[in-house]
Amino acid sequence: DAGITQSPRHKVTETGTPVTLRCHQTENHRYMYWYRQDPGHGLRLIHYSYGVKDTDKGEVSDGYSVSRSKTEDFLLTLESATSSQTSVYFCAISAPAATYGYTFGSGTRLTVV
Amino acid sequence: SQQGEEDPQALSIQEGENATMNCSYKTSINNLQWYRQNSGRGLVHLILIRSNEREKHSGRLRVTLDTSKKSSSLLITASRAADTASYFCATDGQGGNQFYFGTGTSLTVIP
Repeated sequence: DAGITQSPRHKVTETGTPVTLRCHQTENHRYMYWYRQDPGHGLRLIHYSYGVKDTDKGEVSDGYSVSRSKTEDFLLTLESATSSQTSVYFCAISAPAATYGYTFGSGTRLTVV
Repeated sequence: SQQGEEDPQALSIQEGENATMNCSYKTSINNLQWYRQNSGRGLVHLILIRSNEREKHSGRLRVTLDTSKKSSSLLITASRAADTASYFCATDGQGGNQFYFGTGTSLTVIP
């Protein structure tokens, strides 16, 4: 998707290991978000950022942490991966007040075995 | 939860027919958005409607909003096979920059 990339696209990891997912944007948007998508649950907000070093929790933040040291990068870390964190993770960016909606990345499919 | 709920969960129509999907939500909002997701892809923003608007059009898309009933509908006219996708509504719950998504309507358009 234009202006926003996620890496890796796919990852398999073992239970108990730390995992970091990266979101990179070239739009210079202030707001960045991490969502997870699971069957029957839709998309649920994990964490979001409203500026460099400014982050806040979403509705499913337990077991996740984030960091934003530069405008363009927003990292999501699973401190100690569990099978319940197997999911598809999406990063999104927006201008203030999401006037034009979110722009989503293509997603990272994470499998915890 | 502030999530919206889409209805129906799945919809199958013939090409050329109109498709209507609905979204209900629980809390007051500033904005409501609709997104499309093709299989294996990220979500794509379709349209945003503000709480003081009742109807909005974009090409073959028509969105209505009834804040008294806390509901919205998305109408796709003259559907095409390429419209096959999942459609999600998202509401901001007056929180401004955080949007909460429903579980989606899966639309299949049969050629």
